[in-house]
Amino acid sequence: AAGVIQSPRHLIKEKRETATLKCYRIPRHDTVYWYQQGPGQDPQFLISFYEKMQSDKGSIPDRFSAQQFSDYHSELNMSSLELGDSALYFCASSHRQGAISPLHFGNGTRLTVT
Amino acid sequence: RKEVEQDPGPFNVPEGATVAFNCTYSNSASQSFFWYRQDCRKEPKLLMSVYSSGNEDGRFTAQLNRASQYISLLIRDSKLSDSATYLCVVTRTGGSYIPTFGRGTSLIVHP
Repeated sequence: AAGVIQSPRHLIKEKRETATLKCYRIPRHDTVYWYQQGPGQDPQFLISFYEKMQSDKGSIPDRFSAQQFSDYHSELNMSSLELGDSALYFCASSHRQGAISPLHFGNGTRLTVT
Repeated sequence: RKEVEQDPGPFNVPEGATVAFNCTYSNSASQSFFWYRQDCRKEPKLLMSVYSSGNEDGRFTAQLNRASQYISLLIRDSKLSDSATYLCVVTRTGGSYIPTFGRGTSLIVHP
């Protein structure tokens, strides 16, 4: 069965550049989450979408924005990149059925800002 | 205080040992609980959901204690391949649906 697909796997950018991360959720799922995981840290929630609407917002900087499209894909747009933005970025999807079903993760995008 | 807390370890155990991890959560409105396994530089993978009645999957047993607000994971007959970080995930429902991660517990199984 198809899982969550993220691209690119690796991305190297310079300070002040922009980056776009993409994610295709599992089609039967209705909720997409973006997480940021720094070295030795737990995944930090950035933002989520329920169907195409923004659902919850976490510790997402104002320099970041996200969109959910109708073809199951989501994008995380990051501008004015800083060295501290270097991290693993995961997209995950799930299905809400009263109590939330487990998250299924993509294999992440490793962003390095130099 | 973090909403979900775990002992980071590392837990260093020999093959064949039994090891248990706990995870405490602070929000009593939490309703869904999961254990994930994460290998270095890889994505978290679902190990098991945690149900009120407790559940078992092979060598792994998960328990939920709502009164004391913690979940546990027991691994029996540890294998070298069990070496990983185990992440506890807790989700509240009603209003917001944000799955919150613990810091993870590192397990090292040695020969």
